[in-house]
Amino acid sequence: NAGVTQTPKFQVLKTGQSMTLQCAQDMNHEYMSWYRQDPGMGLRLIHYSVGAGITDQGEVPNGYNVSRSTTEDFPLRLLSAAPSQTSVYFCASSYSQRGGRDTQYFGPGTRLTVL
Amino acid sequence: AQTVTQSQPEMSVQEAETVTLSCTYDTSENNYYLFWYKQPPSRQMILVIRQEAYKQQNATENRFSVNFQKAAKSFSLKISDSQLGDTAMYFCAFMKRTGTASKLTFGTGTRLQVTL
Repeated sequence: NAGVTQTPKFQVLKTGQSMTLQCAQDMNHEYMSWYRQDPGMGLRLIHYSVGAGITDQGEVPNGYNVSRSTTEDFPLRLLSAAPSQTSVYFCASSYSQRGGRDTQYFGPGTRLTVL
Repeated sequence: AQTVTQSQPEMSVQEAETVTLSCTYDTSENNYYLFWYKQPPSRQMILVIRQEAYKQQNATENRFSVNFQKAAKSFSLKISDSQLGDTAMYFCAFMKRTGTASKLTFGTGTRLQVTL
């Protein structure tokens, strides 16, 4: 298994541009989520999904959209990038939030810079 | 809301020695999970160890063990026989076990440097 994969690894955007960060997992995990990591802070939850077709907001959702059309993929869209969105973005997945199998496994991250 | 506090921004330990990283948390929940994640310079978040709150026995994974004190809301990580490869940022994280999102709440991290 490749686990959780993210593309791209690095990205530079200009203010106002849009882009999609890709996340995929091949472990048949039901639950997927996006976090951002800023200097001096831990990771903060942006959006999450408990299964295909179901998404919800996390702690810091403004400026981001998500959709989940398949179990494997969970893309994160920046509609109009702002410098405040400069961060490292992590995608994570787990089997479920129930049943004791909800340890989350993380992708390698995407470093995004917005100029 | 849950909060996780790591009061040691940086720590240093010599190779082969033992080091303990501190973590405290605040919650009104009774059922939850606690985790330690390691983030080396590669930036990858790697699960080190996990503890279920309903288990009294402290979790261990090879050289890594925890001291879980539920009443004190404390969850420290002990690394024995430290190795250079243990150099990394370590994050303590809390997750409550309910029917809602499995939201991980992270501390701000402790940067551990293992020296020769």
